[in-house]
Amino acid sequence: NAGVTQTPKFQVLKTGQSMTLQCAQDMNHNSMYWYRQDPGMGLRLIYYSASEGTTDKGEVPNGYNVSRLNKREFSLRLESAAPSQTSVYFCASSTEHSYEQYFGPGTRLTVT
Amino acid sequence: TQLLEQSPQFLSIQEGENLTVYCNSSSVFSSLQWYRQEPGEGPVLLVTVVTGGEVKKLKRLTFQFGDARKDSSLHITAAQPGDTGLYLCAASNTGNQFYFGTGTSLTVIP
Repeated sequence: NAGVTQTPKFQVLKTGQSMTLQCAQDMNHNSMYWYRQDPGMGLRLIYYSASEGTTDKGEVPNGYNVSRLNKREFSLRLESAAPSQTSVYFCASSTEHSYEQYFGPGTRLTVT
Repeated sequence: TQLLEQSPQFLSIQEGENLTVYCNSSSVFSSLQWYRQEPGEGPVLLVTVVTGGEVKKLKRLTFQFGDARKDSSLHITAAQPGDTGLYLCAASNTGNQFYFGTGTSLTVIP
């Protein structure tokens, strides 16, 4: 079992460029999440998906869109990247209404 | 505004010492989790507590959930260099929305 995988591991974008961060899990989990981690801020929830076909905003959704492609995959899209979106992005998954999340290794994004 | 406040933010101790990390909130939560994160990796779940006053032990780590379910503590006995990392608390009411603390960066010096 690979658990939660994320691609790419590193990315550098110029302001205004777009990109999609990919996440996949092989644990048959219903719920998936996208977080960003910034120094001194902990992890903040961007979007989550409680089940296939549903998505909901978290704490900091502005500037992002998500797609729950199927039960395994949950992608995060930046349509027009801004320097404020420089961060480390983590995807996580859990069973439905479980308090236990499993995290991927992260994507380090720099926007110049 | 940070929903969960952790203290201290940084902690550097000698191998063999004991330490306690705190996670405090003004809100009541159904559950609270503790994670450890190493550089370049995602957080890894250590424990979940759901009952006010609950105490859980994981080898040398002791976790307590406050009676009012607003705060928690993590106590490490006889710290070892392998305990070095970022300790994060997280809390939830719904099992969908999770709020994380700012983290405590622990360094254990051999």
